[in-house]
Amino acid sequence: DSGVTQTPKHLITATGQRVTLRCSPRSGDLSVYWYQQSLDQGLQFLIQYYNGEERAKGNILERFSAQQFPDLHSELNLSSLELGDSALYFCASSVGRGQANYGYTFGSGTRLTVV
Amino acid sequence: GESVGLHLPTLSVQEGDNSIINCAYSNSASDYFIWYKQESGKGPQFIIDIRSNMDKRQGQRVTVLLNKTVKHLSLQIAATQPGDSAVYFCAENLGSNYQLIWGAGTKLIIKP
Repeated sequence: DSGVTQTPKHLITATGQRVTLRCSPRSGDLSVYWYQQSLDQGLQFLIQYYNGEERAKGNILERFSAQQFPDLHSELNLSSLELGDSALYFCASSVGRGQANYGYTFGSGTRLTVV
Repeated sequence: GESVGLHLPTLSVQEGDNSIINCAYSNSASDYFIWYKQESGKGPQFIIDIRSNMDKRQGQRVTVLLNKTVKHLSLQIAATQPGDSAVYFCAENLGSNYQLIWGAGTKLIIKP
């Protein structure tokens, strides 16, 4: 157990629908990162939050949005889903600002299948 | 934008041999590098890291080498085992947003 919790583990939904993925960071970590990974592909950075505020945006579609709550958990909202959105979605956390170790701790991911 | 790239998308090695996975990075300002291992269906796991003021760092059966002159990073795995089968990602940190820039990944296949 990495300490980063993602729910649900699996999600199957139809095109046009909206889903919410949830992430609880490791205790003490202030930063949360969301990544998308399609089959046999690399990690595509979507968005980062630090202590409740958006810090960086990557290749996140306008149909996708995220937020980080006061208790530091984060949610990734995916709407108007398309077949191409089927992928593994990973959340990672790090302590963040001012830390010597910049490494991330990843959750086990949510596998989204759009049918 | 700048990114970290890998020379080989797939690497096959004989069990018991040493594996070397390479990574090229383009940003000379990067000050921290990490190797991650991702097993099938799991999230990436930290293997080893190295700072830009070092050339080499060793862990258990793994060694990371950093050549800043040619902006090259490598991961050496000694006596490769079946459990080493995974995709290996290198990542660099540019320091500004504590955001990692990820390489494309190399799939390591172990031949019995």
